[in-house]
Amino acid sequence: QITLKESGPTLVKPTQTLTLTCTFSGFSLTTSGVAVGWIRQPPGKALEWLTLIYWDDDERYSPSLKSRLTITKDTSKNQVVLTMTNMDPVDTATYYCAHRGTMRLNVFDIWGQGTLVTVSS
Amino acid sequence: EIVMTQSPATLSVSPGERATLSCRASQSVGSNLAWYQQKPGQAPRLLIYGASTRATGIPASFSGSGSGTEFTLTISSLQSEDFAVYYCQQYSVWPLTFGGGTKVEIK
Repeated sequence: QITLKESGPTLVKPTQTLTLTCTFSGFSLTTSGVAVGWIRQPPGKALEWLTLIYWDDDERYSPSLKSRLTITKDTSKNQVVLTMTNMDPVDTATYYCAHRGTMRLNVFDIWGQGTLVTVSS
Repeated sequence: EIVMTQSPATLSVSPGERATLSCRASQSVGSNLAWYQQKPGQAPRLLIYGASTRATGIPASFSGSGSGTEFTLTISSLQSEDFAVYYCQQYSVWPLTFGGGTKVEIK
């Protein structure tokens, strides 16, 4: 059974750097075809894809946020870490990590519960 | 970036009726289109990928169709648990993009 869970601060100040950790089980990020992504959702708004990291270390980023995002993986800990710099109140959102589908398409078949991050001074 | 536009924004349907949701891409995405369902306070759930293939465990009451730029999600007979927000997502090109969502509410 695949599960993912996000963890990190619930409140960050403007200009600070956000670090979120996705801890997963039921699969390995060393297995060919596997990937984990991050998607966010501001309150009452739509989903926005942020980034994706593959088993082979390939990384993809949203162009609009690329300069602020870094995704890394720790396969020994079964974790994926998202770093977002220079946080702003508009970055207030629920942040989800998700497993790339086993059909090897860039869709997300299993999601974490999400973590709400509020950006406020 | 491919813009995904969903319509209508809100769809009011009576239980047992059919619901038809639309998703339009600003350029062709082939069949690289997925649908998700999201209930309040929950993470999205994958319903459909490849425009028409149901994900594991998704009932046959959900069906997807379309290709290129025009896609449809049909829920054949709405049950109480189907009232939710539905999102489409293209995965044809980077960046991955989602539509703005359609809320299916009880009429």
